[in-house]
Amino acid sequence: DTGVSQDPRHKITKRGQNVTFRCDPISEHNRLYWYRQTLGQGPEFLTYFQNEAQLEKSRLLSDRFSAERPKGSFSTLEIQRTEQGDSAMYLCASSKGLGQDTQYFGPGTRLTVL
Amino acid sequence: AQSVTQLDSHVSVSEGTPVLLRCNYSSSYSPSLFWYVQHPNKGLQLLLKYTSAATLVKGINGFEAEFKKSETSFHLTKPSAHMSDAAEYFCVVSALYNQGGKLIFGQGTELSVKP
Repeated sequence: DTGVSQDPRHKITKRGQNVTFRCDPISEHNRLYWYRQTLGQGPEFLTYFQNEAQLEKSRLLSDRFSAERPKGSFSTLEIQRTEQGDSAMYLCASSKGLGQDTQYFGPGTRLTVL
Repeated sequence: AQSVTQLDSHVSVSEGTPVLLRCNYSSSYSPSLFWYVQHPNKGLQLLLKYTSAATLVKGINGFEAEFKKSETSFHLTKPSAHMSDAAEYFCVVSALYNQGGKLIFGQGTELSVKP
């Protein structure tokens, strides 16, 4: 059990650029979640996958955001045409997907949009 | 809809004194409740969880929480604070499994521990 990993840990970009983040969940975890945390706030749900299927998207996830989990393992979150309001910590979590089991979080990717 | 309210945005205690972080929840069904801790520049770590078994839940590092349905509360306590407990603490409620099991976080309580 190597834990949830996220890459990169930090990303600085200019407004209007596209960025992509990667999340590697704990091996054999079926569910993968993305959350966003802005300064001084608790994390907010963005979307989640059950294996490769994206089953729910929050209304926070505008059409500039897209997430994939092509083979049911790692996931990517892409933000197109970044805006300063996208600056936040993007957190990934995974769980076995059995009942109300525990979600394990990665260290997050901190995005700064200049 | 489910929600949690953390009643204090900041709590300051002296080392060796008790810790109390307050959380009230709202849920239309029997909830699953969690406390997570976030140290600076580190990921969220689960402290403890309640899933309708014993109402007094023991977690890591000496923390515990009591589920009180009549008061819709899930307060976090620790008998004696340590300097290493200084961090941000989140009270969390989970959506039903068949609704995705997504977590709904409170606003957080920053715990400061004075020497």
